[in-house]
Amino acid sequence: AQKITQTQPGMFVQEKEAVTLDCTYDTSDQSYGLFWYKQPSSGEMIFLIYQGSYDEQNATEGRYSLNFQKARKSANLVISASQLGDSAMYFCAMSAPSGANSKLTFGKGITLSVRP
Amino acid sequence: DTAVSQTPKYLVTQMGNDKSIKCEQNLGHDTMYWYKQDSKKFLKIMFSYNNKELIINETVPNRFSPKSPDKAHLNLHINSLELGDSAVYFCASSQDFGSTGELFFGEGSRLTVL
Repeated sequence: AQKITQTQPGMFVQEKEAVTLDCTYDTSDQSYGLFWYKQPSSGEMIFLIYQGSYDEQNATEGRYSLNFQKARKSANLVISASQLGDSAMYFCAMSAPSGANSKLTFGKGITLSVRP
Repeated sequence: DTAVSQTPKYLVTQMGNDKSIKCEQNLGHDTMYWYKQDSKKFLKIMFSYNNKELIINETVPNRFSPKSPDKAHLNLHINSLELGDSAVYFCASSQDFGSTGELFFGEGSRLTVL
């Protein structure tokens, strides 16, 4: 079974600073994907970034980067130059196993508040 | 043009009633899902369908019955609603089964059972 752990309490960051949101995972699958989604107060789920288990480079998408440490089973999200609009709930998720039964398993989420 | 659309967005109903939520995707994806987000914001998969075929049924009470008339539509019917069914229900779709399958979510349908 897959498990995603997000244990940080609500996070606060000053506008324009960087922030790291932690995520650890557990799976026995060799092939899996790691995702981060953002959920603002309006409720929609917004895809941010993806990392494949065989990708050697850390994924980056604009101000978002994923710090992937496979041996530690961690997939932390780094947001650089925080903006007020980054205030939201952030979910780490893992897709596994490969094939027909693949599904996304989500962590419980972390609330990020950006201070002006 | 919305990629994954759900209706209704809000639903308030009494215990014991039956209700349906509809979902349509115009992305040409083969796989569709229903996820439930509870009051603590925890997201859990309920069902997945691939090309109209049920693939995942994640120990959901059989009061919940998904139906996929074609691969672009996945509806959720709930019988005999209970208080604990109050949640936000998200429909999603993806192109790939495998590990690279990013999910595209609908806006969610907030169900309140009184």
